[in-house]
Amino acid sequence: LAKTTQPISMDSYEGQEVNITCSHNNIATNDYITWYQQFPSQGPRFIIQGYKTKVTNEVASLFIPADRKSSTLSLPRVSLSDTAVYYCLVGGDRDDKIIFGKGTRLHILP
Amino acid sequence: NAGVMQNPRHLVRRRGQEARLRCSPMKGHSHVYWYRQLPEEGLKFMVYLQKENIIDESGMPKERFSAEFPKEGPSILRIQQVVRGDSAAYFCASSPYLGQGVAEGYTFGSGTRLTVV
Repeated sequence: LAKTTQPISMDSYEGQEVNITCSHNNIATNDYITWYQQFPSQGPRFIIQGYKTKVTNEVASLFIPADRKSSTLSLPRVSLSDTAVYYCLVGGDRDDKIIFGKGTRLHILP
Repeated sequence: NAGVMQNPRHLVRRRGQEARLRCSPMKGHSHVYWYRQLPEEGLKFMVYLQKENIIDESGMPKERFSAEFPKEGPSILRIQQVVRGDSAAYFCASSPYLGQGVAEGYTFGSGTRLTVV
């Protein structure tokens, strides 16, 4: 499984756009990039997944450069309820389990 | 379509007692995973099971911990002779597929918070 590196914590303010970058230098050709969100006292929740370029859904956007060695999760106009831990994961169909890193603790301030 | 159900939500045990944590996967999901999360820490993989089979238990402590996923009924994570260091949140996830490459394939429960006093 490719190792990922992401900031330990970030602070932002309500209404701002938040970008969390994840490095995965050893990503394999058939690996996907997946982001999960975990609120306090809850289990992780899938946010978005991509392979290359850009993916957008109702929650977030995921930007992946051509070399795929990093990715950026973009949360538009955050609110207090976006305060959570965000995990970047890299893996493919050959991986039989998800391995979590430490994640990024995002704290949204009023 | 109920999600992954874990019970109990909170469990208090005295040192030396046994703890049993239950996980009912989503309907149609045949893969179950258990994770442990210590306070202010990330999630640590413990074990991966399919019905009646333990596929990968590389994250399970060698002693006192066991897991099963019987043909009928929920998956059970069992901790014998609990110690204070076992206090943590235990999360279960289920998936219909093998492989992380499937989008939205893993669904997590709300966890069981075990407190050992």
